[in-house]
Amino acid sequence: ETGVTQTPRHLVMGMTNKKSLKCEQHLGHNAMYWYKQSAKKPLELMFVYSLEERVENNSVPSRFSPECPNSSHLFLHLHTLQPEDSALYLCASSQDYPGYNSPLHFGNGTRLTVT
Amino acid sequence: TQLLEQSPQFLSIQEGENLTVYCNSSSVFSSLQWYRQEPGEGPVLLVTVVTGGEVKKLKRLTFQFGDARKDSSLHITAAQPGDTGLYLCAGVGVDSNYQLIWGAGTKLIIKP
Repeated sequence: ETGVTQTPRHLVMGMTNKKSLKCEQHLGHNAMYWYKQSAKKPLELMFVYSLEERVENNSVPSRFSPECPNSSHLFLHLHTLQPEDSALYLCASSQDYPGYNSPLHFGNGTRLTVT
Repeated sequence: TQLLEQSPQFLSIQEGENLTVYCNSSSVFSSLQWYRQEPGEGPVLLVTVVTGGEVKKLKRLTFQFGDARKDSSLHITAAQPGDTGLYLCAGVGVDSNYQLIWGAGTKLIIKP
């Protein structure tokens, strides 16, 4: 399998649940990202890992917890979410970070609905 | 904080028509990327423009980076239903520690 793969594609969870999003990249890239995409708003960068070290954490609530066990895998652990957290969560990778010479390769996202 | 304004926010036109999408800022970018996102998928890079005044063509799509590197445009000639999607611009900010700054996107629908 090639590219960036995200699972699950859809997730419905209650506000008291704990769930995890998974991302795997098969491109040999050194940097991985979590973005939040809401309708009519710019992509919001949540976390960046470069060579398995977290390099960016853009004031994301602690109910979102990232994990990068190796350069190919990225997780986003979710707990006690709020309805306003419902969105499309996109994982991306790039050859290097910062990626101004390394375009982003995105997965197809996880559509999260918090009830 | 650097911002990118995309316009129009939404555009629905007939097959065969031409259209232009704009991406504007008051700040300078070292480069600018255009992505297309189709329903149910993630964004896919179309092109990167780097030099002020640069023009790049991708079949019926023409991308231009402003001379001052503060704005960019995407022109589609003879639009096809396959061009339908969300078009996103993203600039590498000179004043934002080289982080990628995203526009909110233009949702384009091409009707057959």
